[in-house]
Amino acid sequence: DAKTTQPTSMDCAEGRAANLPCNHSTISGNEYVYWYRQIHSQGPQYIIHGLKNNETNEMASLIITEDRKSSTLILPHATLRDTAVYYCIVRAREAYNTDKLIFGTGTRLQVFP
Amino acid sequence: GAVVSQHPSRVICKSGTSVKIECRSLDFQATTMFWYRQFPKKSLMLMATSNEGSKATYEQGVEKDKFLINHASLTLSTLTVTSAHPEDSSFYICSARGVMGYNEQFFGPGTRLTVL
Repeated sequence: DAKTTQPTSMDCAEGRAANLPCNHSTISGNEYVYWYRQIHSQGPQYIIHGLKNNETNEMASLIITEDRKSSTLILPHATLRDTAVYYCIVRAREAYNTDKLIFGTGTRLQVFP
Repeated sequence: GAVVSQHPSRVICKSGTSVKIECRSLDFQATTMFWYRQFPKKSLMLMATSNEGSKATYEQGVEKDKFLINHASLTLSTLTVTSAHPEDSSFYICSARGVMGYNEQFFGPGTRLTVL
């Protein structure tokens, strides 16, 4: 079962920051937070992941609260091409060949001109 | 990131026939591959996990005799939908994880299966 809760949909104006929240109140100490996105009729694309520190890469920033019960994915300057379903997933670093990504319902982000 | 390909991208078949979908990791060796299914407007559902050279592990509710998975090499996994029926029509997506990186799991572009 998915261990995360995300809003069903969000809108964002092009050029503005998109802040996508995720609740994972039952996260365990060994579980990472991963973000993927899926553009219509394509396979999911990895965005970013983190354990407890904030992370940033060329695509996005990930802010994790101190108690790790929630996080926010930030797309600093959203473009129309960022319109997609964004999935927040918690994943344990268990035995290397047995852990897996379980997808929840995600947030449908619509970027408008 | 690493590239995962799938073939075919779309397939239409008659009810009762079998369909094979290939998943390849193009620039890395995939020790573990995953197969997902996605119905319209729904999330991805994990069907099975396979490690190279081993039998696949199927998720609860997935018929292993209907969805045959072979992971014979470090770059290729196949999913065969046997005796396909219209309810098997779906978007099938494979994913691969390799020895070079534990953290990232790369996804293929998906295969749209339509069973008439």
